[in-house]
Amino acid sequence: KNEVEQSPQNLTAQEGEFITINCSYSVGISALHWLQQHPGGGIVSLFMLSSGKKKHGRLIATINIQEKHSSLHITASHPRDSAVYICAASAQKLVFGQGTRLTINP
Amino acid sequence: NAGVTQTPKFQVLKTGQSMTLQCAQDMNHEYMSWYRQDPGMGLRLIHYSVGAGITDQGEVPNGYNVSRSTTEDFPLRLLSAAPSQTSVYFCASTRTLGNYGYTFGSGTRLTVV
Repeated sequence: KNEVEQSPQNLTAQEGEFITINCSYSVGISALHWLQQHPGGGIVSLFMLSSGKKKHGRLIATINIQEKHSSLHITASHPRDSAVYICAASAQKLVFGQGTRLTINP
Repeated sequence: NAGVTQTPKFQVLKTGQSMTLQCAQDMNHEYMSWYRQDPGMGLRLIHYSVGAGITDQGEVPNGYNVSRSTTEDFPLRLLSAAPSQTSVYFCASTRTLGNYGYTFGSGTRLTVV
């Protein structure tokens, strides 16, 4: 079993839909990171969480330390949100999930 | 600030050749790391450094060498390239281990033929 599990692996939705990507981890962490990677592109850090909730524009990230679970939500999704979203648990190193490939159709 | 600069962006090598992937950051970050990204495998840690003069191995260090002579630079050397090293390589840095965000380079797409 991977130390960081993401679900779903693939997600296709229509423009405007509310999107949720889940991340569960089994390691002790100092922080949980959400990253975004567009096709053929680099990796951009979206959020770093150690507790609670953070919001940036249409993106919201939450973490429940007791349950070792984090979610990334996208409100009013748009085709430009199409990307791979990766969660990573930070302890002595980054441990990555497999990524969620999100496709938003117009 | 340029952030994390990786060069080259693309490289094709023949089996057995050696090369160095460059990584430089201008944020005075202590921690730097190299990852490879392969389809279905996600990102895996190759080597990392917690400061100048200190390096250590990650999950997949075989065939790679690193050094950290300055805070800014963390080059990754492929000693004798193999087709199994065909991958996309990312360098990343953070201020120090703990509750700090990571900055990633734009990646190097390496093909070994």
